[in-house]
Amino acid sequence: AQSVTQPDIHITVSEGASLELRCNYSYGATPYLFWYVQSPGQGLQLLLKYFSGDTLVQGIKGFEAEFKRSQSSFNLRKPSVHWSDAAEYFCAVGAGITGGGADGLTFGKGTHLIIQP
Amino acid sequence: DTAVSQTPKYLVTQMGNDKSIKCEQNLGHDTMYWYKQDSKKFLKIMFSYNNKELIINETVPNRFSPKSPDKAHLNLHINSLELGDSAVYFCASQQGEAGNTIYFGEGSWLTVV
Repeated sequence: AQSVTQPDIHITVSEGASLELRCNYSYGATPYLFWYVQSPGQGLQLLLKYFSGDTLVQGIKGFEAEFKRSQSSFNLRKPSVHWSDAAEYFCAVGAGITGGGADGLTFGKGTHLIIQP
Repeated sequence: DTAVSQTPKYLVTQMGNDKSIKCEQNLGHDTMYWYKQDSKKFLKIMFSYNNKELIINETVPNRFSPKSPDKAHLNLHINSLELGDSAVYFCASQQGEAGNTIYFGEGSWLTVV
């Protein structure tokens, strides 16, 4: 079964500093990989996704992620964080339950990002 | 216009009651989902529907009954509410194939007292 591991429950970063959030996945085939962000009291917004092609993916709000098959990783990065980036970040993999298009996503447990002034 | 909208956003109810959460998407998608987010923020799929047909039912108690009257709507009815049902319930939609973006609603905060 597919699984996603986000090893860091909390990360604290100073405003203006660089950020890397880790994500490891377990999936037999080429995965569909996603990063979502959830601000307090809000729904989930897609930051970026990967399913083929260039392994470095650009997303919204200045985020990027790199797919590394050899490490089964899809880490999220941002060169300089802003206070508004404080949120919960979720890595997800296409669930592959039935192999069809209605399988949804399997999510990691999330990383809570705290921005220090 | 909100792409995936859920009502109500907040719901406080007593144990044993029956309640419904409604979801509508105006994206023209053929697939809709319900996810549950627990108090530790863990998100887990509950149901998926494709063209009004149930595709996935992830070991959810049968007190939970989704209903899809048409492709644009997927409602969630919960019978005999229990304390452990307190969570945030997210509706989502997607067009067709695996790998397409899944769009989430803003969530419905259910508190059972």
